[in-house]
Amino acid sequence: GAGVSQTPSNKVTEKGKYVELRCDPISGHTALYWYRQSLGQGPEFLIYFQGTGAADDSGLPNDRFFAVRPEGSVSTLKIQRTERGDSAVYLCASSLAGLAESPYNEQFFGPGTRLTVL
Amino acid sequence: KNEVEQSPQNLTAQEGEFITINCSYSVGISALHWLQQHPGGGIVSLFMLSSGKKKHGRLIATINIQEKHSSLHITASHPRDSAVYICAVLSSYSGAGSYQLTFGKGTKLSVIP
Repeated sequence: GAGVSQTPSNKVTEKGKYVELRCDPISGHTALYWYRQSLGQGPEFLIYFQGTGAADDSGLPNDRFFAVRPEGSVSTLKIQRTERGDSAVYLCASSLAGLAESPYNEQFFGPGTRLTVL
Repeated sequence: KNEVEQSPQNLTAQEGEFITINCSYSVGISALHWLQQHPGGGIVSLFMLSSGKKKHGRLIATINIQEKHSSLHITASHPRDSAVYICAVLSSYSGAGSYQLTFGKGTKLSVIP
């Protein structure tokens, strides 16, 4: 069956530009997570959706970052006025149920989008 | 916030060797995950455990809740085991029902034929 997919796989942009990163979770998974992984580091939590709503957005670094999941499936991570420090791999994961309902559900990860800000 | 430390950062082993990767964390947790990340980014969950020991094939994971420590062992290592192994802890925060995963930096394992 289809896993989590992310598009694009690579994105190169210039400083100051706006970017959108897309995540298609596994069908039927109600929870969706965004993480950011800088070179040589482990993933860092950004935001978690339960259905259409952001259940926890405490990991978003500042107001340039925003994410939506309008119909409870596909999610888009939006970054405004990109900075060189935003360069990283952005990972998306989904799980059958959310952390509040069932913290022990396995998260299935997508391949990531490598964002490079020049 | 939970601090997760992994050791070693890098590990090179000869094929067939027994490998141990360690993970320590600072605050009590609900569960601990071991993940495998291959070049290109794909992350796969290997284990989730909250006590004791789990075994899957040549992989064994143990956790000591009192000592806030977990180990991942690989027996009879093989070049295809070469990957980054990441420890992630699930802990609750700011009241009931709020959980978050905190990840270690990973251990890069290279198994040489």
